Amino acid sequence: DGGITQSPKYLFRKEGQNVTLSCEQNLNHDAMYWYRQDPGQGLRLIYYSQIVNDFQKGDIAEGYSVSREKKESFPLTVTSAQKNPTAFYLCASKGGQGGYSNQPQHFGDGTRLSIL
Amino acid sequence: EDQVTQSPEALRLQEGESSSLNCSYTVSGLRGLFWYRQDPGKGPEFLFTLYSAGEEKEKERLKATLTKKESFLHITAPKPEDSATYLCAVQAGATDTGRRALTFGSGTRLQVQP
Repeated sequence: DGGITQSPKYLFRKEGQNVTLSCEQNLNHDAMYWYRQDPGQGLRLIYYSQIVNDFQKGDIAEGYSVSREKKESFPLTVTSAQKNPTAFYLCASKGGQGGYSNQPQHFGDGTRLSIL
Repeated sequence: EDQVTQSPEALRLQEGESSSLNCSYTVSGLRGLFWYRQDPGKGPEFLFTLYSAGEEKEKERLKATLTKKESFLHITAPKPEDSATYLCAVQAGATDTGRRALTFGSGTRLQVQP
């Protein structure tokens, strides 16, 4: 079945540690996105990528980094510079002509990150 | 700045009691309005896309409608399995970045009691 796989489901970060969240899709979508979800708030955009080897900052990119070396993969690193990383992280992808498409985004099942 | 406001924040219904959820938006050139369902600990599941005022979409007990300022998600004779958080999101017109990311509301938590 086509879809978006996020791993791990739960992740714990120690002080001063960088952690990487995995996102893989087999939908052949060009555009991929990372969102952060906090209780009682809407999803906020961290980074997005419209095509391989290209990515752009979203609204809350500070303390995060990404790479897009393959079409299928868009990993997110939460660095030690992100002082409040506890949240639910969601990866999404979209078909059509990448970022210019108005097709719906499809989401993975998220990674919940907590501080130890 | 694009904004999406959903109301109510939470809604409790009895099984079979129909109601509507509201999504009010301000956006520079609407390209699409999207409804998602989110279960606890899961990612949002796509329900509907609406592109222009007057458009309606239906799926089982759900019906989404769109005007120039707001969208409604009507739930007819809900069942306990309809309990979830319903998210509304808008996609604005072209910007110089062309990112076409979504702006989300905070959601409506729906609980349907048997």
